[in-house]
Amino acid sequence: AQSVTQLGSHVSVSEGALVLLRCNYSSSVPPYLFWYVQYPNQGLQLLLKYTTGATLVKGINGFEAEFKKSETSFHLTKPSAHMSDAAEYFCAVRSTNQFYFGTGTSLTVIP
Amino acid sequence: DAEITQSPRHKITETGRQVTLACHQTWNHNNMFWYRQDLGHGLRLIHYSYGVQDTNKGEVSDGYSVSRSNTEDLPLTLESAASSQTSVYFCASSPGQGPREQFFGPGTRLTVL
Repeated sequence: AQSVTQLGSHVSVSEGALVLLRCNYSSSVPPYLFWYVQYPNQGLQLLLKYTTGATLVKGINGFEAEFKKSETSFHLTKPSAHMSDAAEYFCAVRSTNQFYFGTGTSLTVIP
Repeated sequence: DAEITQSPRHKITETGRQVTLACHQTWNHNNMFWYRQDLGHGLRLIHYSYGVQDTNKGEVSDGYSVSRSNTEDLPLTLESAASSQTSVYFCASSPGQGPREQFFGPGTRLTVL
């Protein structure tokens, strides 16, 4: 079975600072990779996804992630945090028809 | 626009009662999933279905059941609600094989007293 590890259950950054949320996965074959965002009292929304091709993937709200096969990582970044980025972020892997989620990282943005 | 809906959005029930949470999607997706979300545990898979008449157990299926009589709906039933089942429940769907993502419903907050 696949597993997804998100390092850091809570991350705090200052407004305007770099956001870096870490995700590592276990997979013997290149998987499909996703980042979701969850705002309070809402469902999960897709931020971005990697399927094939370019390893640097751009998503909504200025986020991007880079697939690094050698490191089995798919870290999420944003150059400059905004207050509206405060939310829970989930990394996920799709293998055939199953999805495997990390336990989430709560992002706090400090004014 | 296609969507996935859940009802009710909030539910309070008593221990021992049977509860059914509805999930309806208009994406025409074959795959549907139920998760529960609890602090510190992320999303945990309860049941899933790959098509009509197909149901499968996830990692936390005890005390829950599902049935799939059509493509659009996957109701989740708690046969005898327990306080440990107080949680937020999310339904999701995805197309069959391929690189497509899951689409999530807005969630149902269930409280078992």
